[in-house]
Amino acid sequence: AQRVTQPEKLLSVFKGAPVELKCNYSYSGSPELFWYVQYSRQRLQLLLRHISRESIKGFTADLNKGETSFHLKKPFAQEEDSAMYYCALTRGKGSYIPTFGRGTSLIVHP
Amino acid sequence: DTGVSQNPRHKITKRGQNVTFRCDPISEHNRLYWYRQTLGQGPEFLTYFQNEAQLEKSRLLSDRFSAERPKGSFSTLEIQRTEQGDSAMYLCASSFGPETQYFGPGTRLLVL
Repeated sequence: AQRVTQPEKLLSVFKGAPVELKCNYSYSGSPELFWYVQYSRQRLQLLLRHISRESIKGFTADLNKGETSFHLKKPFAQEEDSAMYYCALTRGKGSYIPTFGRGTSLIVHP
Repeated sequence: DTGVSQNPRHKITKRGQNVTFRCDPISEHNRLYWYRQTLGQGPEFLTYFQNEAQLEKSRLLSDRFSAERPKGSFSTLEIQRTEQGDSAMYLCASSFGPETQYFGPGTRLLVL
């Protein structure tokens, strides 16, 4: 069975500081990895997916199969980045059911 | 279309009662998903539909839970004989095929 681990429940940084939200996964196949975000009083929404290899709102994430990690990074945090971030995995090959981590709350102080 | 909608947004019930939640997906989306989220955890998959067919169910979905999507549009999730452990946020999402899932605001259930 697949598992997603987000070791930090809370990450607190100051505006302008670099941010790295950690995500490790366990799955024996070739998964697809995602980051979802939930801003205060808003719905859960997709932030980015590893197959797109894109940067969204300044965030990037690289899939490291050797370390089974998919950490989310941003070089300069902004106050509006404060939110709950969830890492998720699907089994790939047409599986659409994500397994989510427990989430990391990011707080960016002014 | 304002996105996925869920009703009610909040439900308080007594243990042993039945509850039913409704999800209206984005109109052109053929897939609809149900998740449960408890405090401090990420969403957990319960079941999903493609059109009116229920294609996959999690082992989390005990026989007290039933979901339907009779005409391939809205869906209902019913919990019979509720237990305190059923207290959670119930999320619905929809997608067009394997594309991005769009989530609703959720229904928060409290079982007393």
